[in-house]
Amino acid sequence: SAVISQKPSRDICQRGTSLTIQCQVDSQVTMMFWYRQQPGQSLTLIATANQGSEATYESGFVIDKFPISRPNLTFSTLTVSNMSPEDSSIYLCSVDQGWYQETQYFGPGTRLLVL
Amino acid sequence: TQLLEQSPQFLSIQEGENLTVYCNSSSVFSSLQWYRQEPGEGPVLLVTVVTGGEVKKLKRLTFQFGDARKDSSLHITAAQPGDTGLYLCAGVNAGGTSYGKLTFGQGTILTVHP
Repeated sequence: SAVISQKPSRDICQRGTSLTIQCQVDSQVTMMFWYRQQPGQSLTLIATANQGSEATYESGFVIDKFPISRPNLTFSTLTVSNMSPEDSSIYLCSVDQGWYQETQYFGPGTRLLVL
Repeated sequence: TQLLEQSPQFLSIQEGENLTVYCNSSSVFSSLQWYRQEPGEGPVLLVTVVTGGEVKKLKRLTFQFGDARKDSSLHITAAQPGDTGLYLCAGVNAGGTSYGKLTFGQGTILTVHP
């Protein structure tokens, strides 16, 4: 299984600033995903990041607010731009391994608090 | 949009009791996965069920996929405090523009008291 790390693990930010979250995988993967999760609640997919192409965003999420980079097959970043307290959440990246069962492995998450 | 209804949302039981968590949908999924998440960690995959009617056992955990691949259940026998956590079901979308993506249920917060 893939081992995924995220930086930072947590941060407290001021309203109006931006934060870039990094996701590093220990093996090459085709698909990487970014999710948002309120503590104790379910996950909401923000976007899918594929290497060599633009990220695909889910309904309710836009590139200007959540720009994503995917420079290679082991790394991706998600930026939360012009933050407001409503952006306070846990941000998780995951990778897809397996052609048949679409198994996803998750990073430990980045806990963001916006004041 | 495919939706997964997970229930119950909260479950508080005593050690040794049995419990069942349900995930239901009107949509067909190519497979369904169950995850467990502890505070401060990302979700960890417990099992993937692929075939309609499939039953998988993982020690005290039994997972079942409905015949029509629209629903699933997780049954825990003789729950232990170490089972405490957030349990999430996730369906792998079967087709269309969302093919291969996961649709998550709302989650079940399980607390097992000693």
